[in-house]
This record gives sequence, C-alpha cells and structure tokens, in this order.
Amino acid sequence: AQSVAQPEDQVNVAEGNPLTVKCTYSVSGNPYLFWYVQYPNRGLQFLLKYITGDNLVKGSYGFEAEFNKSQTSFHLKKPSALVSDSALYFCAVRARHNQGGKLIFGQGTELSVKP
Amino acid sequence: EAGVTQFPSHSVIEKGQTVTLRCDPISGHDNLYWYRRVMGKEIKFLLHFVKESKQDESGMPNNRFLAERTGGTYSTLKVQPAELEDSGVYFCASSQEFGSYYGYTFGSGTRLTVV
Repeated sequence: AQSVAQPEDQVNVAEGNPLTVKCTYSVSGNPYLFWYVQYPNRGLQFLLKYITGDNLVKGSYGFEAEFNKSQTSFHLKKPSALVSDSALYFCAVRARHNQGGKLIFGQGTELSVKP
Repeated sequence: EAGVTQFPSHSVIEKGQTVTLRCDPISGHDNLYWYRRVMGKEIKFLLHFVKESKQDESGMPNNRFLAERTGGTYSTLKVQPAELEDSGVYFCASSQEFGSYYGYTFGSGTRLTVV
C-alpha cells in the first residue's frame, strides 16, 4: 500500500537554528513529492515540490527539501528557523502513474520555533 | 485571483443530523478534490471531480457521504446522518490541469464536530 510517514509529531527548534522535518514514503515508481504548510486557521499552502532533476529543491520562505531515492525520503530543511515558521507541515506524494492527481499525505509534523 | 473558498469554516452538529459542506474552487479549475483530516491523523483523499463528473471516489468512507458538483462549478459534500467519527477537518482543493503535478490550491477547510 502507498503511504507517507512523518515520524515526528512535533519538532522544537530555537530561532536561528537549522530545522529538519522528516518525511519518508512508500510509493511505487518515481513519485512527485510535495510539502505543504498549514498556519493556524488557514488552508494548506504549497511550499515546494520535486518532480525531476536536481535532488535539492528550493521553495517558499527559505525552505528546501532533498529527494533521496535510495532512502525514499524527502526531508524538509531550513538553515535558520524563524518564530513565524511555527506551523503544521505536511509531506505529500503523488504516484507518477496516477493521472487523476490524488495526493497521499503524511500525518503532519507540528513545528514550534521558540525565540 | 480568488482562492478556494469553503463554507462554513466551523460546524458543530449532533449525531444523526445532516450537514452540508460547500467548496467554491478557483474559477476555471476543472479539477476539484475533497480531503479530510480526522483526529490529528494524515489527510486522506475522499474524491475527485473533473467538471461535474466524479473521476475517482475511492476514498469516500461510506454511503452516508454524498458529493455533488452541479454544473461543474462549486461542490457540496453532504454527510447524512453524521456520526461521531466523521469529526475532523474537511479540505477542498482545485487545480487547472487534469492530474496537475504542480500541486493544488487548497481551501481553509471546514472543521466539523459531531457531538
């Protein structure tokens, strides 16, 4: 079965420190990979995606993610965290053969950045 | 352009009652998706419309859920009768391209609480 795992329910980081939010997946073939963020009382906002090409993808708000095919991972990273980065982060994949575009999400990771 | 709009933002109903959620996609977006997040778990796909047709409804949990998209514009998701386990956040998303791999625009969600 296709699945996405975000092993940490919560990540706590001090402002200015680097952050990593982990994501691994189990999807056949080479999937499309996404990160979304949900701020309180807001919808899901697109951060970045991996389709093909360079394994390091840069996205909005200074975030980046590295696609690692051998480890089937797509960890989200930022060199220096901001308090305003505190939010709920979701990793999602779409099987490349799925023409309908259905996304499979992880359970989400709550990121808390303290001053 | 206006984003994806969902109504209501919150709904509290008693078990056995009926609730109808509405989603207004971005104008011109033929693809409309419903997802839900239950009790802090992963966001799960419910169904996908292409214009007014149901392309994929494999994620609909049971026949208490009925989705419609009359005229290929806005969509409604009706739960009748609601059960306690239906509580969660219901997200709607739309995309312009069929099977768009660029991602999707999500609404802010409807938080449904069944008591």
